[in-house]
Amino acid sequence: DGGITQSPKYLFRKEGQNVTLSCEQNLNHDAMYWYRQDPGQGLRLIYYSQIVNDFQKGDIAEGYSVSREKKESFPLTVTSAQKNPTAFYLCASSIARERNTEAFFGQGTRLTVV
Amino acid sequence: KQEVTQIPAALSVPEGENLVLNCSFTDSAIYNLQWFRQDPGKGLTSLLLIQSSQREQTSGRLNASLDKSSGRSTLYIAASQPGDSATYLCAAFTGGGNKLTFGTGTQLKVEL
Repeated sequence: DGGITQSPKYLFRKEGQNVTLSCEQNLNHDAMYWYRQDPGQGLRLIYYSQIVNDFQKGDIAEGYSVSREKKESFPLTVTSAQKNPTAFYLCASSIARERNTEAFFGQGTRLTVV
Repeated sequence: KQEVTQIPAALSVPEGENLVLNCSFTDSAIYNLQWFRQDPGKGLTSLLLIQSSQREQTSGRLNASLDKSSGRSTLYIAASQPGDSATYLCAAFTGGGNKLTFGTGTQLKVEL
C-alpha cells in the first residue's frame, strides 16, 4: 500500500530528553512536511523539505531539528530546547511544493512529556 | 501573512440534513485550497482539492467551491450521515512562503 507511515503512534519524553519521530513515505513524493497540532489551534508548520539534503524552517522551528538524507524519510527530532513539546505531530508529503498538488498526511504521533 | 478562518467551530445536525461549512482566507493569491477530514486521534484525510483556476470540485456527496476574489471556500455535504461526524479542516496553499495554512476546523456531529 502506498502512503505515509509515522512511528511511533504514542511517545513519552522525560524532561531534558531528545526524541525522534519517524516519517516514511513510499509515494515517491519530493516534498515532505512536519506539522504540530494543539487543541483548539490549526496545524502549524515546523519544517519542510522540497528535495533530498535540503530543508527550511517553518513558523515554529525553534526546539526542533530535521534531516532529509533519503527521499523516503524525513525524521523530526524534538530537542530539550523545545519547552512545550506535548502535542500531536503530523507528517505530510506532496509531489512538489511549487506545483498545484495535493498534500497527504500520516496518522500522527502523540508526544507527551512525563 | 495568510490567515484562514473556519465558521462555525462546531455544528450538530440531524441525519439526512444538507449542510455547509465555511472557510475564509485573507490572501487571495493562493495556488489551491484543500479540504480535509480528521477523526479523533487520527491523521488528516484529503477530501477535495480545488485549484486556483477552478470554481468547484465534487466527490460523491461532497462539493467544495472556491471564490478567490472574496477569499472564501465552502464545503457542502449532502444528505449527512452519522459516519460524517469528524472535524473538517480547510487549508490554503500560498506561493509566498510555499506552505499550507490551516484553519482551526469545524467539528461536525451528525445525530441519528
